[in-house]
Amino acid sequence: DTGVSQDPRHKITKRGQNVTFRCDPISEHNRLYWYRQTLGQGPEFLTYFQNEAQLEKSRLLSDRFSAERPKGSFSTLEIQRTEQGDSAMYLCASSLPGAAGGYNEQFFGPGTRLTVL
Amino acid sequence: AQSVTQLDSHVSVSEGTPVLLRCNYSSSYSPSLFWYVQHPNKGLQLLLKYTSAATLVKGINGFEAEFKKSETSFHLTKPSAHMSDAAEYFCVVSFTSGTYKYIFGTGTRLKVLA
Repeated sequence: DTGVSQDPRHKITKRGQNVTFRCDPISEHNRLYWYRQTLGQGPEFLTYFQNEAQLEKSRLLSDRFSAERPKGSFSTLEIQRTEQGDSAMYLCASSLPGAAGGYNEQFFGPGTRLTVL
Repeated sequence: AQSVTQLDSHVSVSEGTPVLLRCNYSSSYSPSLFWYVQHPNKGLQLLLKYTSAATLVKGINGFEAEFKKSETSFHLTKPSAHMSDAAEYFCVVSFTSGTYKYIFGTGTRLKVLA
């Protein structure tokens, strides 16, 4: 299977703990996105990488969140000192380079569901 | 600024009857628009995309959508619903440069009655 993979699929943690999620994009995709989806809502953009460079971060991404893509391949999203409000589905997507004025189809992984107790 | 409004949070149809899921968008320039479907415990799957080539877009599983600039709409339709179409559907507007990030609507949950 050459799709986007995410690990773990589910994570239950206690408030105040740190958690880390991993995303493996489609191999030839240089663009990688993280989104967060809470219950009853559509996914919201968190951050974007082009190769290893993090080029945009949403205001949703507080100081407790950090994302990396060290070699331009897989990416990690870490949440420090988790809060109950962090409970959500965290989605990763990847895509090929977009063409100016064109479109850019993103391919999504299955997501990591985080529950903070 | 770009935004998407999905006008119905829930839609119920009987199997074999037409499906209409409504989406209105706001964009300061010519948008790229998408419809994605999300089945329980599965990832988001692309149904179809509008990229200015044609206003009537055909997608997978018999779905299609029509881009109407004058109405700023991109409604999703299917002539005959199947039980397997029951899922959450998201309308998406995308930036067409820079990050190409997605702006999602809040979703429409489609229920198909036997």
